[in-house]
Amino acid sequence: SQKIEQNSEALNIQEGKTATLTCNYTNYSPAYLQWYRQDPGRGPVFLLLIRENEKEKRKERLKVTFDTTLKQSLFHITASQPADSATYLCALGLGFGNEKLTFGTGTRLTIIP
Amino acid sequence: KAGVTQTPRYLIKTRGQQVTLSCSPISGHRSVSWYQQTPGQGLQFLFEYFSETQRNKGNFPGRFSGRQFSNSRSEMNVSTLELGDSALYLCASRAAAGAGGQETQYFGPGTRLLVL
Repeated sequence: SQKIEQNSEALNIQEGKTATLTCNYTNYSPAYLQWYRQDPGRGPVFLLLIRENEKEKRKERLKVTFDTTLKQSLFHITASQPADSATYLCALGLGFGNEKLTFGTGTRLTIIP
Repeated sequence: KAGVTQTPRYLIKTRGQQVTLSCSPISGHRSVSWYQQTPGQGLQFLFEYFSETQRNKGNFPGRFSGRQFSNSRSEMNVSTLELGDSALYLCASRAAAGAGGQETQYFGPGTRLLVL
């Protein structure tokens, strides 16, 4: 069966360190993968999209990698700050004409000052 | 530009009732998707509407239905409510302007539904 797993339900990281979140999937062939941030009581906010033919994407302190052989994406936040504390969700998209996103259950990240 | 708006923000219903939720997408966006979020199941796709037509559907029973109007506003209806329908219902809009269709989805704040 199809499954998307994010490495841990909760992750605590010291301020200033790099936070690394993992998204693993099975029985999918995604055309792209997205990462979202969700704060309590609010809808998810899009952060980054990476396509199946891309290995890495960066945006400011964020970096995403995508390994279709390992069926894994890594999401890094460098120089982490307490304001980065939130739940982070990965989502797979199958492609044009089928824009349904399938989400992982999320990782609750806490940056400790 | 105003973001995605959803009304109402909070709703309490009893089992057996029905409910209608509303979503206004970002101006110019033609695609609206609906998701259900619960602590146990996470975010699950309900359906997507594009130009008033349902284009994709998730694995939810027929009690969950939706529609989209010519101005791209969308409504979602749940009939014969069950306790398990208690959740945060999110809608997301996308421009869907061209080929590829992989534009960013913008989520609304959600409607929190509690079924007693």
